[in-house]
Amino acid sequence: DAGITQSPRYKITETGRQVTLMCHQTWSHSYMFWYRQDLGHGLRLIYYSAAADITDKGEVPDGYVVSRSKTENFPLTLESATRSQTSVYFCASSSSGNTIYFGEGSWLTVV
Amino acid sequence: AQTVTQSQPEMSVQEAETVTLSCTYDTSESDYYLFWYKQPPSRQMILVIRQEAYKQQNATENRFSVNFQKAAKSFSLKISDSQLGDAAMYFCAYKEKMEYGNKLVFGAGTILRVKS
Repeated sequence: DAGITQSPRYKITETGRQVTLMCHQTWSHSYMFWYRQDLGHGLRLIYYSAAADITDKGEVPDGYVVSRSKTENFPLTLESATRSQTSVYFCASSSSGNTIYFGEGSWLTVV
Repeated sequence: AQTVTQSQPEMSVQEAETVTLSCTYDTSESDYYLFWYKQPPSRQMILVIRQEAYKQQNATENRFSVNFQKAAKSFSLKISDSQLGDAAMYFCAYKEKMEYGNKLVFGAGTILRVKS
């Protein structure tokens, strides 16, 4: 039971570069989410998806792009990375929206 | 938008004793879900317990229980017989409805330290 897999787990990139964080889930959950975790803020929703080809913005979407062509994948792209996007990113999924399960996180540092 | 407030940035408890973590939330809905997640140093998010608002009975999972006060919009987590492995960041979360499905709104978290 693989669950949710995020890659890469750790990434250092330079300001202005494009970065894609991958998320893959094996449960065929309809809903998928991207959160970022920053000190003092808990987790904040970046984007979410209710199904393939259905995505919508969360609280902090600026500077991010998502796509969902297949139910199991939900990549998050930083089009032009900034230092303020240094964070821990969590992908999550849910079948009904009642209980949300999280991946192990991707540590991103923008220098 | 709903808000979740955890007023205790950090708490300490002696091993084998009991500790309570506080959480309050703001909502105008009558039916909703509340959660406590544990985040150990590995940063993995682990679901500890879930409470459905329409259920009056407080949820319990082994040593973890909640005190759900709907009228007061309070949802505290009680950890009994604390163990060293309970040391972690704990997040309270509220399930908020969106246009498509639901999302979790998190509090800022409480760091729990367990002393041996």
